[in-house]
Amino acid sequence: DQQVKQNSPSLSVQEGRISILNCDYTNSMFDYFLWYKKYPAEGPTFLISISSIKDKNEDGRFTVFLNKSAKHLSLHIVPSQPGDSAVYFCAASPAAGGGSEKLVFGKGTKLTVNP
Amino acid sequence: DVKVTQSSRYLVKRTGEKVFLECVQDMDHENMFWYRQDPGLGLRLIYFSYDVKMKEKGDIPEGYSVSREKKERFSLILESASTNQTSMYLCASSSAGGFTEAFFGQGTRLTVV
Repeated sequence: DQQVKQNSPSLSVQEGRISILNCDYTNSMFDYFLWYKKYPAEGPTFLISISSIKDKNEDGRFTVFLNKSAKHLSLHIVPSQPGDSAVYFCAASPAAGGGSEKLVFGKGTKLTVNP
Repeated sequence: DVKVTQSSRYLVKRTGEKVFLECVQDMDHENMFWYRQDPGLGLRLIYFSYDVKMKEKGDIPEGYSVSREKKERFSLILESASTNQTSMYLCASSSAGGFTEAFFGQGTRLTVV
């Protein structure tokens, strides 16, 4: 059973417009949510995170929104740039402690930003 | 700067060989992970270790084992490589205490022929 779902395998947007990547989760024990960006033949790099006590976190062009009641989070990229073209993974982790801090990943969304 | 280093970028092994993938991190992290990434399947957790000599199975541990004799090093072992283990393998580490990101190595592209 997939606990973290990214239902859109791909997304294409024009340079300068907003990119919105969505993620849903099923496990109510998840307490911490992260977005990673991955280029081909490289390891994922951390982008932005949010804990369950917040509903929004912003870092430059990247904003993550969390709706706990809907078990949904989204990543907004504004404005989108061609260098943002990559696969984006949503990840979630239960509350800390006791060896439970393993990250569960979604299947990823491939974002293409067209010049 | 956190560094997670995987011993090889590319490996080609024969079916039935025993394969060792090594990972070293330099940030004194308690947690270390092995994932594999396959097209359309995302990152799937193979094994997780939260302390030296401690390990937990992830979602797909069959055909794999791990070793963590030192805090900084986490090894993934394919006991008898098979073609369905051809994949990108990713090692990661994080500090204990929650609300911290995991840092990934550059990945090892393993091909089993």
